[in-house]
Amino acid sequence: DAMVIQNPRYQVTQFGKPVTLSCSQTLNHNVMYWYQQKSSQAPKLLFHYYDKDFNNEADTPDNFQSRRPNTSFCFLDIRSPGLGDAAMYLCATSRDEGDEQFFGPGTRLTVL
Amino acid sequence: KQEVTQIPAALSVPEGENLVLNCSFTDSAIYNLQWFRQDPGKGLTSLLLIQSSQREQTSGRLNASLDKSSGRSTLYIAASQPGDSATYLCAVKGTYKYIFGTGTRLKVLA
Repeated sequence: DAMVIQNPRYQVTQFGKPVTLSCSQTLNHNVMYWYQQKSSQAPKLLFHYYDKDFNNEADTPDNFQSRRPNTSFCFLDIRSPGLGDAAMYLCATSRDEGDEQFFGPGTRLTVL
Repeated sequence: KQEVTQIPAALSVPEGENLVLNCSFTDSAIYNLQWFRQDPGKGLTSLLLIQSSQREQTSGRLNASLDKSSGRSTLYIAASQPGDSATYLCAVKGTYKYIFGTGTRLKVLA
């Protein structure tokens, strides 16, 4: 089945220790998104790629970076995680901007 | 700046009831609106997508309507079941990104 896969499902890191979250898709969609969702809050868009074009949200901290080496994979790098970065990180894809979004299962990040 | 509101924040209903979840948005210049379901600790599952030119979409027991002029969308769930218990989020797409509401947490009692 075509899908959006996120690894790992749970990630524990220490304060200040860099961490990378992974997302892959078999849908061959052009657009990949990273969202941050804190408990009982709405998902918040961090950035997205349209193909190789990177689009950063104005309020996304510099601590968050992303890479998309090919159509299928996209990575979220948190350079120096703080306690406030503990959240669920959701990856989503869409065929084109404005099309239906499909989400992965998310990665729950804990910062100790 | 687009703001999306979902009221109520939580809702409990007995099994078998028909129910309506509400989504309001402040800027009517939207591209589309998407309804999602989220189970605890999980990702989002797409339920329905309504384009700005459409008035409603249906999938099984779900029906979503859109009234752009009043800035409202509703998700109608017919004959609710305990398996429908989840958080339901709406997301509105403006110029280039989706803005999400904080969701309605639904509990269907057996």
